[in-house]
Amino acid sequence: GAGVSQSPSNKVTEKGKDVELRCDPISGHTALYWYRQSLGQGLEFLIYFQGNSAPDKSGLPSDRFSAERTGGSVSTLTIQRTQQEDSAVYLCASSLSGTLAGEQYFGPGTRLTVT
Amino acid sequence: AQSVSQHNHHVILSEAASLELGCNYSYGGTVNLFWYVQYPGQHLQLLLKYFSGDPLVKGIKGFEAEFIKSKFSFNLRKPSVQWSDTAEYFCAVKRKGGGADGLTFGKGTHLIIQP
Repeated sequence: GAGVSQSPSNKVTEKGKDVELRCDPISGHTALYWYRQSLGQGLEFLIYFQGNSAPDKSGLPSDRFSAERTGGSVSTLTIQRTQQEDSAVYLCASSLSGTLAGEQYFGPGTRLTVT
Repeated sequence: AQSVSQHNHHVILSEAASLELGCNYSYGGTVNLFWYVQYPGQHLQLLLKYFSGDPLVKGIKGFEAEFIKSKFSFNLRKPSVQWSDTAEYFCAVKRKGGGADGLTFGKGTHLIIQP
């Protein structure tokens, strides 16, 4: 079956612009996670959704970052007023349930470059 | 909060050599443990996982890992590596029962297998 998909695969933006990154989880997966992978920082957890709600947003790096999930499916990560330090690969993962520590399936990521 | 430490950032081996990648975590409670692999140009995929039971777990492609609770370790092993094992390897932990937690990853080990 189809895996986790993310779009766009690459995004180059100018400093100060807003960007939206999209994640389509595996059908039927209720839990969705966003991570950031950057040089020197490794893989960093950002936010988790169970259904449409995000119980804990404390992992988001700043208030310029926000995320939403609609219909228990697609999620969008928005970065406002992008900065160069936002350059990274943004990964999305989904799992059957967040309440069980099940396997997370990762998408290919969106490579964001802020110039 | 938990943290994960991977001791080797870069490892170079010849084909047929034995492999052991170290992983230690810090967390006083019960955890679930994972090894993920990222082959060049591909997305993260699960190699193996430990939830409970036999501390020696076997994964795909001949990999195995041993959970040693007293040492807070979950080292990855393979008796004889192949050129196709060249990849980035990530150890990760998730607090057991921590449904809203993302995975906490180590910084990764870049493994290069020379033919």
